[in-house]
Order: sequence, then C-alpha cells, then structure tokens
Amino acid sequence: EAGVTQFPSHSVIEKGQTVTLRCDPISGHDNLYWYRRVMGKEIKFLLHFVKESKQDESGMPNNRFLAERTGGTYSTLKVQPAELEDSGVYFCASSLVWGNEQFFGPGTRLTVL
Amino acid sequence: AQSVSQHNHHVILSEAASLELGCNYSYGGTVNLFWYVQYPGQHLQLLLKYFSGDPLVKGIKGFEAEFIKSKFSFNLRKPSVQWSDTAEYFCAVYDDKIIFGKGTRLHILP
Repeated sequence: EAGVTQFPSHSVIEKGQTVTLRCDPISGHDNLYWYRRVMGKEIKFLLHFVKESKQDESGMPNNRFLAERTGGTYSTLKVQPAELEDSGVYFCASSLVWGNEQFFGPGTRLTVL
Repeated sequence: AQSVSQHNHHVILSEAASLELGCNYSYGGTVNLFWYVQYPGQHLQLLLKYFSGDPLVKGIKGFEAEFIKSKFSFNLRKPSVQWSDTAEYFCAVYDDKIIFGKGTRLHILP
C-alpha cells in the first residue's frame, strides 16, 4: 500500500513568487492534514480536511495560503505571494479515522529567497 | 492553549546506554498522547501512542512510554539504545489536531 506522497520534495523560489505544494493521501483516508515546521521551531498544524471540506483551518498563517482538496482526494497548498518567513518543511498527513494515527508524508522543503 | 514541552533538544549517548526523553503536556481533559520519530531521510512515523488503559505503553523497536497523569508527563524510554536509534523524536498530544513538542535530536555514538 502506498503511503502519503508529497510533491515536490524541494522548492526554491524568490520572494513574491507563487508555489503550489501537492499531497496525495493514503487511498481511502478521508482525513487530510497540513503541518509546517519552520527551522528551529516545532511542527505546527495548518489545517484539516474531511473529504473535500475544511474541518479546521485555524492554523493557517494568513490569507496568502490557500488549501484545496477538490474531489476529496489529493490536496494542494498554494502560497501566493511567498515571503521569506514561509520557508520551512511542509508536511502532509492522512488518517482513516479522525483522532487516530496520522500517517505522514516525507514533506516538502520550501526555501524562499 | 494546549502545549507540549520536551525537556531536551539534543541528546548524545553511547550505544547500550539507557534512554529517557522527557515530555510534559498542558491539557486538562482526556488526552491522546503520541511519540513520533523521524529517522534521517525518512518520514515521520508513529513510535507509540496512549489513548487509555495501561499507562505503560509499548512501542516499536523496544521503546516504551509511561503516562503519569498527576505529573502531566509522557516520558519515552529505552533500556539500551542502538546506533540505529539516531533520529529526531517528537512528543505530541491530540486535541482535534496534533500538537507537537519541539523535538529532541538523539545522536547515538557507535
């Protein structure tokens, strides 16, 4: 069974540009989560989808971040325009049951210059 | 707000030494607690979890953790570490979302 996959693994962009990160959850997992780890800090929750609906987006930093999950399968996280402080590793996770074990992807390392 | 505190940010041990990584959480309700591990170049993966029942939880690779409610603690232990345990370890609490501690980098000397 394939795990959670994320694309790209690395992205280097300039301040002001747009970047879109993709996450493919484990097949059949209705719950999809985005997290971010800024260097030297803890991994922080961004948002949670149940199927295509946003269950909780309380962790989204600001309106430059837009997450979608059309069709309830894969999800994208777009940052527009990117700022220096957006640099970090963006993790995606999925779970079958809300509250149970979350399976994490390898992360996307975003560097904003 | 709920929070998780990990006592050590960086731990260096020799092989065969015993390990205890401290974790305290602040949450007054029923807690679901986790330890996740990230080996170099690999995904975050679940090491063990506590939802209810026996407060001494056994995980993979010989790890265990003890939930002590009165101390709000969930320390991770392993009696004898191996070089392959070199990784970053994250304590976490579940509160509709996972709240992570800052992580502890464990380096095992061969």
